[in-house]
Amino acid sequence: DAKTTQPNSMESNEEEPVHLPCNHSTISGTDYIHWYRQLPSQGPEYVIHGLTSNVNNRMASLAIAEDRKSSTLILHRATLRDAAVYYCILRKTGANSKLTFGKGITLSVRP
Amino acid sequence: DAGVIQSPRHEVTEMGQEVTLRCKPISGHDYLFWYRQTMMRGLELLIYFNNNVPIDDSGMPEDRFSAKMPNASFSTLKIQPSEPRDSAVYFCASSVQGAFGPQHFGDGTRLSIL
Repeated sequence: DAKTTQPNSMESNEEEPVHLPCNHSTISGTDYIHWYRQLPSQGPEYVIHGLTSNVNNRMASLAIAEDRKSSTLILHRATLRDAAVYYCILRKTGANSKLTFGKGITLSVRP
Repeated sequence: DAGVIQSPRHEVTEMGQEVTLRCKPISGHDYLFWYRQTMMRGLELLIYFNNNVPIDDSGMPEDRFSAKMPNASFSTLKIQPSEPRDSAVYFCASSVQGAFGPQHFGDGTRLSIL
C-alpha cells in the first residue's frame, strides 16, 4: 500500500493561513487523498478528500500536485480550535477500502 | 443531528474482567467501524461491518476480542478476559456511501485495565 509522509509538527499564528504538506510519492491511480483531524480528547473528524483536482469545502482547501505525488491542506485562517493532529491518508476506491492512519502532523496555533 | 454515540466514556476495571463497549451509529449509516488508539501503535482499525455483517476482522488482536452488530443501531466490542495491554481509547465510527464515504467518529471510550 502507498504511504504518506508528513512533518511531525507545525506552528502557526491565529488568523493566518496554514499550509500542511503531505508527500505520497508512491500513490497509485486509484488512491484518493483524504484528510482527517483529531482534536484533543475527541475522535477523528473528516476534513476533505480529492483525487486529482483541487477541492474546497467549508473547512479547508486541498491542493494536489499535478503529478499527485504530494498535496497540501490549506486552512485559510487558523483559529485556536484548529489545533489538532492532521492525518493525510491514501484510500483506494472500492466498496471495502479502509482508512489507515499514520502519525499525522501536530498543528499548534499561537494566539 | 446526533452523531455516533459511544458508552461508557471511561471504564476502569481489573485484569481478567469482561469489558463491553457500546456504539450507536448515525441513523441510516450502513458501515460501522471499531478502532483502537494507543500512544505506541496510533489509531488501528479492528473490525468493520456492512449492513450488520462483519466484513473484515483482520485487525482484531486475538480471540479475547469479539464484536457484534445485532441490528443497524447498535454494536458492541467485548474483551474477555481483559489484560493491562488492552488499555487504550476505543473509537466507533460509521459511514454511508459505502466504506469509501467520510467516516464519522464517536468521542471514544477510554479503557484502563489495572
